[in-house]
Amino acid sequence: QVQLQESGPGLVEPSQTLSLTCTVSGGSISSGNYYWSWIRQPAGKGLDWIGHIYPSGSSSYNPSFQSRVTISVDTSNNQFSLKVSSVTAADTAVYYCARNHHERPYGGAYSNYVDSWGQGTLVTVSS
Amino acid sequence: SYELTQPPSVSVSPGQTATITCSGEKLGAKFACWYQQKPGQSPVVVIYQDNKRPSGIPERFSASNSVNGDTATLTISETQTMDEADYYCQAWDGSTVVFGGGTKLTVL
Repeated sequence: QVQLQESGPGLVEPSQTLSLTCTVSGGSISSGNYYWSWIRQPAGKGLDWIGHIYPSGSSSYNPSFQSRVTISVDTSNNQFSLKVSSVTAADTAVYYCARNHHERPYGGAYSNYVDSWGQGTLVTVSS
Repeated sequence: SYELTQPPSVSVSPGQTATITCSGEKLGAKFACWYQQKPGQSPVVVIYQDNKRPSGIPERFSASNSVNGDTATLTISETQTMDEADYYCQAWDGSTVVFGGGTKLTVL
């Protein structure tokens, strides 16, 4: 059973860069039909998909974040990372790393769903 | 950008059937999935590929997504107090993941 664990500072100052790492255990980040995602959830609000990366390094981002976000992968250490630049209080949230199962079960539309989540880490943006 | 719309809240009495909808343009042409999230916990997928249940999810959870329609539906039969949670739908839109806004299910 794959497990994901977020790590990084819980407090970031406004205008600085938020950096988080997700360590994957119980399976290789390079195997299978999986994308590796970052998702966040402000307190009392819904889930926001930030972006994802494939082990090859190709990535895709939510247009709402695209100019401020970078996701990278380190297959040798079974980790992937998130950087969000120029943060404000609006970036305060629980940040989850996740594994997305991605496939075309019948050769038509793609199925993509999160089958494993990290426990989440609260990041507060404040001076 | 693609959007999925859910009702903010749904209430149901114990033992009754709860229905939560998720609407998006031509959603029937995509695969929908559903997550359950209880307070302080990470979400858990309860339905994937429109109507498949992962192992460990009770048969009380079912879902549909009409092929030519715009609405996917999560149905919880014989609703129990333990089903009280937030529920999110999600779909893949070409190259991005899209979540619905979430529905708070109250069992009372």
